[in-house]
Amino acid sequence: GESVGLHLPTLSVQEGDNSIINCAYSNSASDYFIWYKQESGKGPQFIIDIRSNMDKRQGQRVTVLLNKTVKHLSLQIAATQPGDSAVYFCAETEGTYKYIFGTGTRLKVLA
Amino acid sequence: DTAVSQTPKYLVTQMGNDKSIKCEQNLGHDTMYWYKQDSKKFLKIMFSYNNKELIINETVPNRFSPKSPDKAHLNLHINSLELGDSAVYFCASSRGSSIGAQHFGDGTRLSIL
Repeated sequence: GESVGLHLPTLSVQEGDNSIINCAYSNSASDYFIWYKQESGKGPQFIIDIRSNMDKRQGQRVTVLLNKTVKHLSLQIAATQPGDSAVYFCAETEGTYKYIFGTGTRLKVLA
Repeated sequence: DTAVSQTPKYLVTQMGNDKSIKCEQNLGHDTMYWYKQDSKKFLKIMFSYNNKELIINETVPNRFSPKSPDKAHLNLHINSLELGDSAVYFCASSRGSSIGAQHFGDGTRLSIL
């Protein structure tokens, strides 16, 4: 079936450490993947994306890794800050108009 | 300067009532969406519209009727509200002509009494 899931529902990280949030997807035909950050009371906000013809993409303090062999996606956040505390979602696209979201991981940054 | 705006932000109503949620985007996107987020934060697509045409209807009960008067607006009307409709509803938009990330509104929290 179609599903995008996360291994860890809650991740607690010390401020300044690196965070790694994982995501497993099931549709091997998906060709575009996105990470979103959702803060309390807000809508999901785009962080970084990656196409299936890439295995790594870097942004400011964030890196997305894609392993198509095992259908795994990860988001790495360097030097995690209190403002990074949020729920993080991975999403994959099925065609141009359908986005399938994972179940979300709550990131807690400890001072 | 809000890119995707939804109204109202909160909606509290009785079971059986009919209500509407409005969404507008000023990004010039041609594709708009409605999502439902349940209490466990699971986000599920309900509808997507491209150039005012319905593209995706994810087996949503026909009590839910989206309407897109133009490319910048996608409203959601819900008839005969049920307890299970309690959730946060998010509107989003994207440039549908090519794959790209969606921009989300801040959600409408619907509570059914």
